[in-house]
Amino acid sequence: DGGITQSPKYLFRKEGQNVTLSCEQNLNHDAMYWYRQDPGQGLRLIYYSQIVNDFQKGDIAEGYSVSREKKESFPLTVTSAQKNPTAFYLCASSNPGQGDEQFFGPGTRLTVL
Amino acid sequence: RKEVEQDPGPFNVPEGATVAFNCTYSNSASQSFFWYRQDCRKEPKLLMSVYSSGNEDGRFTAQLNRASQYISLLIRDSKLSDSATYLCVVARRAGSYQLTFGKGTKLSVIP
Repeated sequence: DGGITQSPKYLFRKEGQNVTLSCEQNLNHDAMYWYRQDPGQGLRLIYYSQIVNDFQKGDIAEGYSVSREKKESFPLTVTSAQKNPTAFYLCASSNPGQGDEQFFGPGTRLTVL
Repeated sequence: RKEVEQDPGPFNVPEGATVAFNCTYSNSASQSFFWYRQDCRKEPKLLMSVYSSGNEDGRFTAQLNRASQYISLLIRDSKLSDSATYLCVVARRAGSYQLTFGKGTKLSVIP
């Protein structure tokens, strides 16, 4: 089955620790995205990548880092510089040449203790 | 004015009812429009794209009014399984391509 996977589903970390969230897609999509969702809030864009080895900051990139070494993978690192990291993190992908829709992974719920 | 605005609800409707949601957007350069559905603690899933001519998918009808910059979603014959949060999403290309999400409208369909 084609799709987007994120792991882990739930993640607990101590304050001050860096943590990396995994996102993998086998849809052969060029573009990948990371969003953050807080309770009662809309999705906010953290980083996006339109092509391998290239990525751009979104609206709330501070305290986060990404890499795009492979087309199918777009990991997100939440660093200790992120002031309020507890949130629901969603990865998405799209193929801009075939429409503007984005398709989401199941998300990772990060809790920083 | 927020870029994408929706009434957060909740809309509590009985089974079989017809319910409509509206969404307004501020950027007239917006090019593509979507409705996503999000169940509690799950990822958003694409419900339907919204076209200028309006489009229908079974019990769901989406409309776009570019002049007034609003999008609507109509659900007929509501089912219990329609209970979810409906996200209005607007897309534009400005060098790169980005989606802007509304905060969502919560729908509860009651037996």
